Amino acid sequence: GAGVSQSPSNKVTEKGKDVELRCDPISGHTALYWYRQSLGQGLEFLIYFQGNSAPDKSGLPSDRFSAERTGGSVSTLTIQRTQQEDSAVYLCASSANRLTDTQYFGPGTRLTVL
Amino acid sequence: TQLLEQSPQFLSIQEGENLTVYCNSSSVFSSLQWYRQEPGEGPVLLVTVVTGGEVKKLKRLTFQFGDARKDSSLHITAAQPGDTGLYLCAGAYGNQFYFGTGTSLTVIP
Repeated sequence: GAGVSQSPSNKVTEKGKDVELRCDPISGHTALYWYRQSLGQGLEFLIYFQGNSAPDKSGLPSDRFSAERTGGSVSTLTIQRTQQEDSAVYLCASSANRLTDTQYFGPGTRLTVL
Repeated sequence: TQLLEQSPQFLSIQEGENLTVYCNSSSVFSSLQWYRQEPGEGPVLLVTVVTGGEVKKLKRLTFQFGDARKDSSLHITAAQPGDTGLYLCAGAYGNQFYFGTGTSLTVIP
């Protein structure tokens, strides 16, 4: 079956531009997560969607970051007025239901802000 | 401050050697997970440990959950080049899911 997919795989943008990153979770998974990973480092939690509940946005680093999940499926992470420190790999994961269920990750989007 | 600290951060060993990676916290977790991530890919779950003192084996990999459920270790016996990757421990605490700082392992043929 199809796993988690993310697009684009790579994104190069200029400082100050807005970017949108897309995540298609595994069908039927109610939980969706966004993480940020700097080179060779651990994952930094950004936001967590669970079903129809209000998302947990506590990990978003600034108000330039926002995310939506439409129809309980596809999610978009938007970064406004990008800065060079936003350069990282952005990973999306989905899980069946609970926070402790196995998370299945997409391949990530590598964002480079020039 | 990281909730889950891993050590060592980097490890480079020869094929056939044994190694242990540690994941430590001052907080109690109901369960901890170990993931492995290869370059250009997302992390993949290896194992979940749930009970304090639990030991799980996955071929040459042995995972242990501390008695107090604040720490975990991953031991690899006779490492192979295919074991190369970033090893991450992770767990749910409160309403968030936390990943450790990661251990980058390189096994030299």
